[in-house]
Amino acid sequence: AQSVTQLDSHVSVSEGTPVLLRCNYSSSYSPSLFWYVQHPNKGLQLLLKYTSAATLVKGINGFEAEFKKSETSFHLTKPSAHMSDAAEYFCVVSDSGGYQKVTFGTGTKLQVIP
Amino acid sequence: NAGVTQTPKFRILKIGQSMTLQCAQDMNHNYMYWYRQDPGMGLKLIYYSVGAGITDKGEVPNGYNVSRSTTEDFPLRLELAAPSQTSVYFCASSYLRLGGVDTQYFGPGTRLTVL
Repeated sequence: AQSVTQLDSHVSVSEGTPVLLRCNYSSSYSPSLFWYVQHPNKGLQLLLKYTSAATLVKGINGFEAEFKKSETSFHLTKPSAHMSDAAEYFCVVSDSGGYQKVTFGTGTKLQVIP
Repeated sequence: NAGVTQTPKFRILKIGQSMTLQCAQDMNHNYMYWYRQDPGMGLKLIYYSVGAGITDKGEVPNGYNVSRSTTEDFPLRLELAAPSQTSVYFCASSYLRLGGVDTQYFGPGTRLTVL
């Protein structure tokens, strides 16, 4: 069985300050992990993904995430928030077992204050 | 490439009506998915397909049906619309690579209201 928990439903940061969006997962197999972003009234777009290569993953728009197996975490970070980062972010886990199921977290809404 | 396309963008249905949400992809992906997104609930998987002729239920399949006669198309059918089906529906597609599901590519969504 697999699951994913996004620890904050809302995060508010000032423009130019760091962003941290937290995600914990559980998986019976070696998981693939993804972060997607959804801007208002838009579809979802991939930010970055972890697929058992380097544990520090760099994505688009300056975002990165670190896979920590011991902590079962895959937190998303960015050194300096821009106004355009305001959106909803989803953490996603996919087992590499025989049943390739995809499970979404409930999302974290990021607000960036000017 | 157009990517994943969905039609219609918006639809209002009356209770008991039926409709089909269309989804097509031109990336030759084997996996396709239907999700619904309710406010504050994230995305819930309705149905998915691992290839033409093969479909399976996700977390919330009740009230919906799907078919996959071609690699490109994956329509979602609502037979008897109910207010609980008011939601935004997203279609997605991906490759299945060795080791698990790869990046999902999402359509722009269909906003459905049932009154």
